[in-house]
Amino acid sequence: DIQMTQSPSTLSASVGDRVTITCRASQSISVWLAWYQQKPGKAPNLLIYKASSLESGVPSRFSGSGSGTEFTLTISSLQPDDFATYYCQQYNSFSFTFGPGTKVDMK
Amino acid sequence: QVQLVESGGGVVQPGRSLRLSCSTSGFSFSNYGIHWVRQAPGKGLEWVAVIWYDGSNKYYADSVKGRFTISRDNSKNTLYLQMNSLRAEDTAVYYCARAGNVCSGGSCYSDYWGQGTLVTVSS
Repeated sequence: DIQMTQSPSTLSASVGDRVTITCRASQSISVWLAWYQQKPGKAPNLLIYKASSLESGVPSRFSGSGSGTEFTLTISSLQPDDFATYYCQQYNSFSFTFGPGTKVDMK
Repeated sequence: QVQLVESGGGVVQPGRSLRLSCSTSGFSFSNYGIHWVRQAPGKGLEWVAVIWYDGSNKYYADSVKGRFTISRDNSKNTLYLQMNSLRAEDTAVYYCARAGNVCSGGSCYSDYWGQGTLVTVSS
């Protein structure tokens, strides 16, 4: 099965900061990667699919890049509503593995 | 608007069974694959199972293979997860999530999620 890792596990940042989260796959997944945001007690919310495609309704400050085994999620200017946990997920194979998550909290 | 609503969670003893349901509305259910994803308390997301739009293909996580069965009734716009031989480690919030449209073969991400139903396996 494909394993996913994320770094960092926790990120402390301030409003207005540029934030970058990295996700790595144990083998190539081409561009078949999604990013989700989850707030406590809520369901995940899709941000990015196919590595860099922005889901409809998601603010343009979110962007994704990468292919193969290394991917990044960038928030260009962190807003108060963005403090949350972020997960990557591969869907190249029928194991649909999630990364362990990155919690973005307030510095 | 697209809605998915899970039900059927609760407290169950180890070794017993439980069936979850996911009722949907706001989209053409029979045209979409649907996932089950779970989240243990304080932990990350774990994919559980997926079923194709017509029920022709089903895939499971190794952790539930042979114990859980995903199914759907397209006439009722409803998805199911039959969970047998439950273990303490199956304790989690279970989400159903619609499969997105931009896929790798038949393998898709999830674009809309329900709010989840809590399953607690405890004696």
